[in-house]
Amino acid sequence: AQSVTQLDSQVPVFEEAPVELRCNYSSSVSVYLFWYVQYPNQGLQLLLKYLSGSTLVKGINGFEAEFNKSQTSFHLRKPSVHISDTAEYFCAVSDFYSGGGADGLTFGKGTHLIIQP
Amino acid sequence: NAGVTQTPKFRILKIGQSMTLQCAQDMNHNYMYWYRQDPGMGLKLIYYSVGAGITDKGEVPNGYNVSRSTTEDFPLRLELAAPSQTSVYFCASSQALEAFFGQGTRLTVV
Repeated sequence: AQSVTQLDSQVPVFEEAPVELRCNYSSSVSVYLFWYVQYPNQGLQLLLKYLSGSTLVKGINGFEAEFNKSQTSFHLRKPSVHISDTAEYFCAVSDFYSGGGADGLTFGKGTHLIIQP
Repeated sequence: NAGVTQTPKFRILKIGQSMTLQCAQDMNHNYMYWYRQDPGMGLKLIYYSVGAGITDKGEVPNGYNVSRSTTEDFPLRLELAAPSQTSVYFCASSQALEAFFGQGTRLTVV
């Protein structure tokens, strides 16, 4: 079984400042890693995913994340945030041996990113 | 492409009532899921399906039932609604390790 810990429930940041949202996972096997974004009253949308290869993954809306196997982390970063980035961000993991995520994703509790003007 | 469509968007149920949350996808995905989202708790998997006729329990299946008679549809049934089932429910489908989510159903049990 795997688990995901998002270390901050809420992150306030000023507009145009950089941001990092932290995510740690635990698993006894190899995993796939994901970041999803949820805008108010919306479903979740995929920001980026790590499957294999380069540990730096680029996603939509200028976000990127770095997979660190030794620290079991997958932190999300953006160099300059905008008011429109205000949303809930979820880190998720899927077990490599579960048939490509057939049995669903394990989600963290979410981080609410608040952009202040 | 509509993607994943959930109905209804909102519903208020009385304790003990039953209802079905509908979910349909038009992407021909084999994998489908039901999650519930509670404040500060992330998403918890209720049931999932790897194809028509095949369903399995997730982390929090008690009080729910599902069926998958076609690739497109994956309804979630609540038989005896309880206040603990007040939540936002999301249906999703996936292919190639990317999950697509519906807009959610906000259910309140009073």
